[in-house]
Amino acid sequence: QVQLQESGPGLVKPSETLSLTCTVSGGSITDSYWSWIRRSPGKGMEWIGYTHHSGPSNYNPSLYSRVSMSIDTSRNQFSLRLTSVTTADTAVYHCARGKATPDSWGRGTLVIVSS
Amino acid sequence: DIQMTQSPSSLSASLGDRVTISCQASQDIRSSLNWHQHKPGEAPKLLIYGTSNLEPGVPSRFSGRRSGAIFTFTISGLQPEDIATYYCQQSDNLPPTFGGGTKVEIK
Repeated sequence: QVQLQESGPGLVKPSETLSLTCTVSGGSITDSYWSWIRRSPGKGMEWIGYTHHSGPSNYNPSLYSRVSMSIDTSRNQFSLRLTSVTTADTAVYHCARGKATPDSWGRGTLVIVSS
Repeated sequence: DIQMTQSPSSLSASLGDRVTISCQASQDIRSSLNWHQHKPGEAPKLLIYGTSNLEPGVPSRFSGRRSGAIFTFTISGLQPEDIATYYCQQSDNLPPTFGGGTKVEIK
């Protein structure tokens, strides 16, 4: 059974870049699509985008200009970068397996944007 | 983006009760509707995909159906371990979008 674990800084300053990594265990990262989803009191659950080791990533148009995702097959990890963050980006960030139907999720990691 | 309207936002029920949650999309999503369970401190879990298909290992007291534009999620006999927030989510169009969630508590 695949398991996912998010990691990264829990505090990011406004205007800086948020960077998170998801480590996948119990399965190969080349077997699936991989997504990032965030959860906040103000916006609820918001899909950020998905990535694949051999195809283009797809991002939520609302974040398109600030987001990028990548995969490291040697480490079985995938990553999220979100630039120019504001307080509105404060959320719990979950990584998940799947393109549009996440069928395995990580517990999530809280990222607070504050100076 | 497709807007998902989920109701109620919270409910309180007794153990053994039948619990029903509704979800409606702002446009046709065919049967591309999923239900996720999220317990505090745990990873969310996909329970139902494609309106009514249970993920392997999900108890049969959970069910989903569609009636026209309304999707419903039912717990037939609420158990203590069912205390969680439940989200509907459409997977028909990108970006996938979620309902606001329903927090289920024990009365």
